[in-house]
Amino acid sequence: EAGVTQFPSHSVIEKGQTVTLRCDPISGHDNLYWYRRVMGKEIKFLLHFVKESKQDESGMPNNRFLAERTGGTYSTLKVQPAELEDSGVYFCASSRNRGQETQYFGPGTRLLVL
Amino acid sequence: KQEVTQIPAALSVPEGENLVLNCSFTDSAIYNLQWFRQDPGKGLTSLLLIQSSQREQTSGRLNASLDKSSGRSTLYIAASQPGDSATYLCAVREGTDKLIFGTGTRLQVFP
Repeated sequence: EAGVTQFPSHSVIEKGQTVTLRCDPISGHDNLYWYRRVMGKEIKFLLHFVKESKQDESGMPNNRFLAERTGGTYSTLKVQPAELEDSGVYFCASSRNRGQETQYFGPGTRLLVL
Repeated sequence: KQEVTQIPAALSVPEGENLVLNCSFTDSAIYNLQWFRQDPGKGLTSLLLIQSSQREQTSGRLNASLDKSSGRSTLYIAASQPGDSATYLCAVREGTDKLIFGTGTRLQVFP
């Protein structure tokens, strides 16, 4: 069974540009999560999808971030326009069911905004 | 607001030592606690998941304990090896599904 995959692995963009990150969860996992780690800080939750619906987006920092999961399969996270403080590692995770299960993480996308 | 703290922040030990990594959390109303391992430039690998009703979980040389009432978990690594070198993260899950992470313990095991 393939794990969670993320694309790209790295992205370097200039302030003001747009970047779109993609996450493919484990097949059959209805729950998809986005997290990020900015420099020197702990990993923080951004949002949670159940299938194509946003279940919890309390961690989204501001309206420059837009997450979608059309069709309940892969998800994209768009940052527009990117700011310097958006630099960090963006992780995606998935789980089959809610509640007590393990969340499986992808390798992350390393974003650097110059 | 839940806060998760991990001590120590970094640890360097010779091969063969038994290790204890600590994780504490401020709100005991958790659903479960998960220990992860992160290798440099890689994603997170789940090591152990302890449900709130459990006291400990074991996998190979790893043993994790949970004391919900005191807000503490420990990860015990027996007979450490250089391949155990990584950052170890603990995360708690509350009523929603989100995980709240600690800042991690960076472990180096030297031959």
